[in-house]
Amino acid sequence: DADVTQTPRNRITKTGKRIMLECSQTKGHDRMYWYRQDPGLGLRLIYYSFDVKDINKGEISDGYSVSRQAQAKFSLSLESAIPNQTALYFCATSPTKGTNEQFFGPGTRLTVL
Amino acid sequence: QKEVEQNSGPLSVPEGAIASLNCTYSDRVSQSFFWYRQYSGKSPELIMSIYSNGDKEDGRFTAQLNKASQYVSLLIRDSQPSDSATYLCAVSLFSGGYNKLIFGAGTRLAVHP
Repeated sequence: DADVTQTPRNRITKTGKRIMLECSQTKGHDRMYWYRQDPGLGLRLIYYSFDVKDINKGEISDGYSVSRQAQAKFSLSLESAIPNQTALYFCATSPTKGTNEQFFGPGTRLTVL
Repeated sequence: QKEVEQNSGPLSVPEGAIASLNCTYSDRVSQSFFWYRQYSGKSPELIMSIYSNGDKEDGRFTAQLNKASQYVSLLIRDSQPSDSATYLCAVSLFSGGYNKLIFGAGTRLAVHP
């Protein structure tokens, strides 16, 4: 089945450490997204990419960076993790043409101590 | 005013009843509307999409859209305990040169036997 995968699924780290979260997809979609989810705040967009050469900031990009290594791979980095970046992180994809339906990976639970 | 608003719940309904979940949005020009189901600790799963006024039925689920009132709802007939989850409303909004999805914070549904 065409799918969206994320690694790692869980990560505990310390303040100041650099962390990379990875996302891969076999759906053949051009568009990829990174969200974080916090209780009561819903999903908030961190970065999005419409193709390998197109990367854009979302509403909460401070403290994060991304890399689109290939159509199928989109990674999120926390250069120097801080405790308020503790959250559930989701990668999502959507096709270029269509109605903006987005399909989510299983998520990464990140805890920054 | 939040762009997409949902009652956080919990909405508690008995097994077999109809669950009614509501969502309002602020952007009059939004064209695409989605309902996602999210089990605790899991990723959002797309269950319904609707693009024109009226009702759209898929099995036990019915999405209703009223663009004049800026209101979209999800009805779940014959509710089952397995329907207990958080339901996220998402609205497509054209901003910053592309159609992005804005998510509500979700309504928690509890179906009790």
